[in-house]
Amino acid sequence: EVQLVESGGGLIQPGGSLRLSCAASGFTVNLNYMSWVRQAPGKGLEWVSVLYSGANPKYADSVKGRFTVSTDNSNNTFYLQMNSLRDEDTAVYYCAKGAYYLDVWGQGTTVTVSS
Amino acid sequence: EVVLTQSPDFQSVTPKEKVTITCRASQGIGNSLHWYQQKPNQSPKLLIKYASQSFSGVPSRFSGSGSGTDFTLTISSLEAEDAATYYCQQSGTLPFTFGPGTKVDIK
Repeated sequence: EVQLVESGGGLIQPGGSLRLSCAASGFTVNLNYMSWVRQAPGKGLEWVSVLYSGANPKYADSVKGRFTVSTDNSNNTFYLQMNSLRDEDTAVYYCAKGAYYLDVWGQGTTVTVSS
Repeated sequence: EVVLTQSPDFQSVTPKEKVTITCRASQGIGNSLHWYQQKPNQSPKLLIKYASQSFSGVPSRFSGSGSGTDFTLTISSLEAEDAATYYCQQSGTLPFTFGPGTKVDIK
């Protein structure tokens, strides 16, 4: 069964860093396109980043220069490294399989940026 | 950036009624438009890819159409379990973007 499980969310102060993990099963992350999407409380979905088969990452302007995506082949995990966090980064973060359309989603992990 | 607008914002519908949701793109995106369903406290689920291709396992009452700038998601006969927010998403131009969502409520 194809499945994604996110972890790593939590409460972090503005300016801090956090790394989200997305553990995949049923497929190999570095052979697939992988994405991050976030959803602020009570708001709609916002595209964050895409990684094309482990290379050539792209980012939303709102996170460019602060967020970095990567994969770890040894444990089949997709990561989102978030630095210089701001209040407006508070959201549920979803990882998803795919780039153009997202056919498998994780359950989400909540990031709260607050002092 | 391609801006997607959806209409209506909210719709309250009786079971078995037909539901039509539109998504308009600020510039042409061919058929690079996808639809998702999100129920409360759940992750989004893919319904339609590339404007009109049904995703595996999605009930046949869901269908999509359109190209260029105007797209439609149709639920042919609404069921109670279809109460959700529906989002369109474009992958024609980076950054990929989502529409603001259409909430469908059951009367």
